[in-house]
Amino acid sequence: EAQVTQNPRYLITVTGKKLTVTCSQNMNHEYMSWYRQDPGLGLRQIYYSMNVEVTDKGDVPEGYKVSRKEKRNFPLILESPSPNQTSLYFCASSLGNEQYFGPGTRLTVT
Amino acid sequence: AQSVTQPDIHITVSEGASLELRCNYSYGATPYLFWYVQSPGQGLQLLLKYFSGDTLVQGIKGFEAEFKRSQSSFNLRKPSVHWSDAAEYFCAVGRGNDMRFGAGTRLTVKP
Repeated sequence: EAQVTQNPRYLITVTGKKLTVTCSQNMNHEYMSWYRQDPGLGLRQIYYSMNVEVTDKGDVPEGYKVSRKEKRNFPLILESPSPNQTSLYFCASSLGNEQYFGPGTRLTVT
Repeated sequence: AQSVTQPDIHITVSEGASLELRCNYSYGATPYLFWYVQSPGQGLQLLLKYFSGDTLVQGIKGFEAEFKRSQSSFNLRKPSVHWSDAAEYFCAVGRGNDMRFGAGTRLTVKP
C-alpha cells in the first residue's frame, strides 16, 4: 500500500530535550516536505526537499532541522524544543503537484 | 504574495442540505488548486484538484469544485451533506514546492 508514515504519532516532551520525528514514504517520490498545523493558521511549510541531499527552508523553519540522506526518509529534528513548537506536524511526499500526507504527529512541549 | 483565504471558520448545515465552502486565492501565475479534508485525528485526504481544462471538477465522496478565474475562487460544493462529512476542509493553491493552505473551515452536520 502506498503511504507516508510518521513516528511517533504522539509525543510529550520537555523544553530543551532533542527529539526527532521520522517520516518515510514508499512511493519513490522525490519531493518531501514538513508542515505544522496550528488552529486558525492552517498548514505552514517548515522545510522541503526536492531530492536526496537537497533541502530548503519553507515559511517557518526556525527551530527545526531536516536531513535527506535517502529518498524514502525525511526526518524532522528539533534540537532544543520550546513550548511554541507545540503543534500538529505533517509530513508529505509528492511526485508532480499532488501531495500525499502522513497521519500526523501531535507534539506537546512543556 | 501568494495567499489563500477561507472566509468561513465554521459552518453548520443540516444533514441532507447543500453545502458550499468558499476559497479565494492570490497567486501570481495560473495556480494548481486543491481541496483536502481532515477528519478528527486523521491526516489530510485529497478531495479534488484542478490543474487545467474544465473548470468544474469532480472529486471523491460526491464533492465538486468550480474554478472561477475572474473571481480568484475555487469553491467546494456538495448537493446533499451526510453526517460523515463533518470534518475540517482545507483549500490549497500552488505549484510544486510552493504550496499555500487556507486556515480551514470546520463543518458541523446537524441531524
